[in-house]
Amino acid sequence: AQKVTQAQTEISVVEKEDVTLDCVYETRDTTYYLFWYKQPPSGELVFLIRRNSFDEQNEISGRYSWNFQKSTSSFNFTITASQVVDSAVYFCALTNTGGFKTIFGAGTRLFVKA
Amino acid sequence: DTGVSQDPRHKITKRGQNVTFRCDPISEHNRLYWYRQTLGQGPEFLTYFQNEAQLEKSRLLSDRFSAERPKGSFSTLEIQRTEQGDSAMYLCASSQRTSGASYEQYFGPGTRLTVT
Repeated sequence: AQKVTQAQTEISVVEKEDVTLDCVYETRDTTYYLFWYKQPPSGELVFLIRRNSFDEQNEISGRYSWNFQKSTSSFNFTITASQVVDSAVYFCALTNTGGFKTIFGAGTRLFVKA
Repeated sequence: DTGVSQDPRHKITKRGQNVTFRCDPISEHNRLYWYRQTLGQGPEFLTYFQNEAQLEKSRLLSDRFSAERPKGSFSTLEIQRTEQGDSAMYLCASSQRTSGASYEQYFGPGTRLTVT
């Protein structure tokens, strides 16, 4: 069975602080994809990043970075110098290649205070 | 606007009534998904289409739920004999499939269903 755990329900930071959102996954598949999505207060989920199970290189995109570690089944997301506009719910998700069912974590609500 | 659209955005219905939601995916996307999201939770997978074929269906989808995607374009999700427990946000997403790879999904704004 596949499972995604986001243990942090809510995180509150002050603007310009760095923040890391944790994601731990379970799967028996050797090939799979991991995703992060952002759901701002407006409600529409926005894709942030996709990573396949064969690519453990960390990725940086502006203030966002992702750390994928197969050894610990984790795919953590760091926002550097957070801004108020980063306030949203962030979801980690998992799907296996050829399988069409994506499993989402429960989400982490991030509050960034000015 | 070439994103995923959903209609209606909000629906209030009385218990026992039938409701139907529509989703128009991004035009070149051949995969279409339906999810349900309740407050404080992540989206829960309901069903998936590749072109017009419904290839996977969650056990969450009871016999009261049916989805179609005629001609592989727009999709409809119907709930018959609605129950209060059906109250949720219903999300539609679409993606492009290439050689078995699993690509990111693009979500619509959702249809919020309230069953009174």
